[in-house]
Amino acid sequence: NAGVTQTPKFRILKIGQSMTLQCTQDMNHNYMYWYRQDPGMGLKLIYYSVGAGITDKGEVPNGYNVSRSTTEDFPLRLELAAPSQTSVYFCASSRSSGHSGNTIYFGEGSWLTVV
Amino acid sequence: GQQVMQIPQYQHVQEGEDFTTYCNSSTTLSNIQWYKQRPGGHPVFLIQLVKSGEVKKQKRLTFQFGEAKKNSSLHITATQTTDVGTYFCAGGGATNKLIFGTGTLLAVQP
Repeated sequence: NAGVTQTPKFRILKIGQSMTLQCTQDMNHNYMYWYRQDPGMGLKLIYYSVGAGITDKGEVPNGYNVSRSTTEDFPLRLELAAPSQTSVYFCASSRSSGHSGNTIYFGEGSWLTVV
Repeated sequence: GQQVMQIPQYQHVQEGEDFTTYCNSSTTLSNIQWYKQRPGGHPVFLIQLVKSGEVKKQKRLTFQFGEAKKNSSLHITATQTTDVGTYFCAGGGATNKLIFGTGTLLAVQP
């Protein structure tokens, strides 16, 4: 059982480039999330989705876009990368709302550096 | 907006000493979850507390939810080097999102 899988694990981007972080889960979870974690800091919610076709902004959505065409996949798009987007990105999923007490399962993270 | 703070930010202990991290919310929580993140790893769910005043134990770890459901604590008895990592609380509250605390980094010296 793979759980939450995200790719790539590491990436270096130049300022102004764009890229997509891929995320897929095989647990048939309705809720999916993207968090970023800056060095030594906590987790900030970027975007989340409560089901296929539905997405909503989190705490720090600027500079990112998401889509949820299927239950399994929740890609995160970075447009015009900036140094401030250097961070570790975690994709996560839960059966129902984490807010309502459902466990959130995290992927292993994607380390992104923008130079 | 809703904020969840943790103290201390960092704690260094000798192996065998106890450790406690505290989590405080600006609003009443419906539930609180605790996660552990090993260095270079991803957060992993430890436990969830739902009831006011609830106490749960996992081996050397004791979790408590405050009576007012605005604070929580995690206590580790007789720390081991395997306890190293960052411990996050996460609270469900007024918003429809689970808000993660700022985390406490635990270092254990053998």
